[in-house]
Amino acid sequence: DTEVTQTPKHLVMGMTNKKSLKCEQHMGHRAMYWYKQKAKKPPELMFVYSYEKLSINESVPSRFSPECPNSSLLNLHLHALQPEDSALYLCASSQPGRMNTEAFFGQGTRLTVV
Amino acid sequence: DQQVKQNSPSLSVQEGRISILNCDYTNSMFDYFLWYKKYPAEGPTFLISISSIKDKNEDGRFTVFLNKSAKHLSLHIVPSQPGDSAVYFCAAVGNNDMRFGAGTRLTVKP
Repeated sequence: DTEVTQTPKHLVMGMTNKKSLKCEQHMGHRAMYWYKQKAKKPPELMFVYSYEKLSINESVPSRFSPECPNSSLLNLHLHALQPEDSALYLCASSQPGRMNTEAFFGQGTRLTVV
Repeated sequence: DQQVKQNSPSLSVQEGRISILNCDYTNSMFDYFLWYKKYPAEGPTFLISISSIKDKNEDGRFTVFLNKSAKHLSLHIVPSQPGDSAVYFCAAVGNNDMRFGAGTRLTVKP
């Protein structure tokens, strides 16, 4: 199983809503990532969890709140988002450490904030 | 601060010819490099990688070359096929921190 599963695939939310993005992998990877990708731009790193602990937060606004409840799951809680937060949100996983193996990406959640 | 750069936003190649995609990086702490292929509305798919202790890695039609002194890597696709048409991202890894280049859109014409 080399799959990273993200749900939902599409999400439309209002600026006052609270929603969550979910990511799941069963490859035994202990590093999980959230990336944000705007149209025609590269994926931008948001958060890295290593051994279920937040190891990197790329100065992401607090309206994005990550959570890693266990080694297979990664959530991204969304609250009071802005229209400019509309993007493709990608989850990835890999083995942690300096010599990472390749990361496996999910299909992404297409988020639209209205 | 873009630590990984792909200076060619697009590349067009004839079927059967070689495609060469280039990538430069600035952070000498990067020690593992990957190429990803991406179709619209899908997540990136891993293609090939190279460790900083090597200068070449080959997998079928795909070869990645690394020049550490120049902080440059390239992906060669030989022969190119129309199905290779996609956006290719270069990524660099150092200590759990993976950074992507802006991508190069490859179009392989039949």
